Amino acid sequence: DQQVKQNSPSLSVQEGRISILNCDYTNSMFDYFLWYKKYPAEGPTFLISISSIKDKNEDGRFTVFLNKSAKHLSLHIVPSQPGDSAVYFCAARGTGGGADGLTFGKGTHLIIQP
Amino acid sequence: NAGVTQTPKFQVLKTGQSMTLQCAQDMNHEYMSWYRQDPGMGLRLIHYSVGAGITDQGEVPNGYNVSRSTTEDFPLRLLSAAPSQTSVYFCASSIAVYITGELFFGEGSRLTVL
Repeated sequence: DQQVKQNSPSLSVQEGRISILNCDYTNSMFDYFLWYKKYPAEGPTFLISISSIKDKNEDGRFTVFLNKSAKHLSLHIVPSQPGDSAVYFCAARGTGGGADGLTFGKGTHLIIQP
Repeated sequence: NAGVTQTPKFQVLKTGQSMTLQCAQDMNHEYMSWYRQDPGMGLRLIHYSVGAGITDQGEVPNGYNVSRSTTEDFPLRLLSAAPSQTSVYFCASSIAVYITGELFFGEGSRLTVL
């Protein structure tokens, strides 16, 4: 049973517009949510995170929104740039205090069109 | 600062062969872990270590062994490779796993088992 779901395998957005990547989760005990970005043949790199006690976190062009009642989070990228083309993974930290790792979604491939 | 270094980057094995994937980090992180990524799947935790001499199983530990004799190194051993272990393997370390869950990933090791 997937606890972290990214239902859009791919997303195409025009350069300069807003990219919105979505993520749903089922475990209400997750306490931290993270977004990772991955280029081909590279490891995932940390992008932004949000604590379960907050509903928004912003870092430059990247904003993550958390709706706990809906068990939904989204990553907004504004404005989208060609270098944003990558696979984005949503991840959640469980109740083991962090040592038992992160639960990842399957990823969304974001393609920024010129 | 090299971060997390994985070797080899590519490896082809025959069924039944054994091998070790190496992982080293130079950030003095106590926490290290191994994930595998399969097509259409998110990253899944294989094993993790919260410090030298301490290891534990993750979500998919079968067929893999680990040890942690130093803070810097966390090798992953396949004792008898199977085609189901064909995957991309990522090593990750963290200093903030108990705070935000943030992980630093290596570039990955692509393993093919024939």
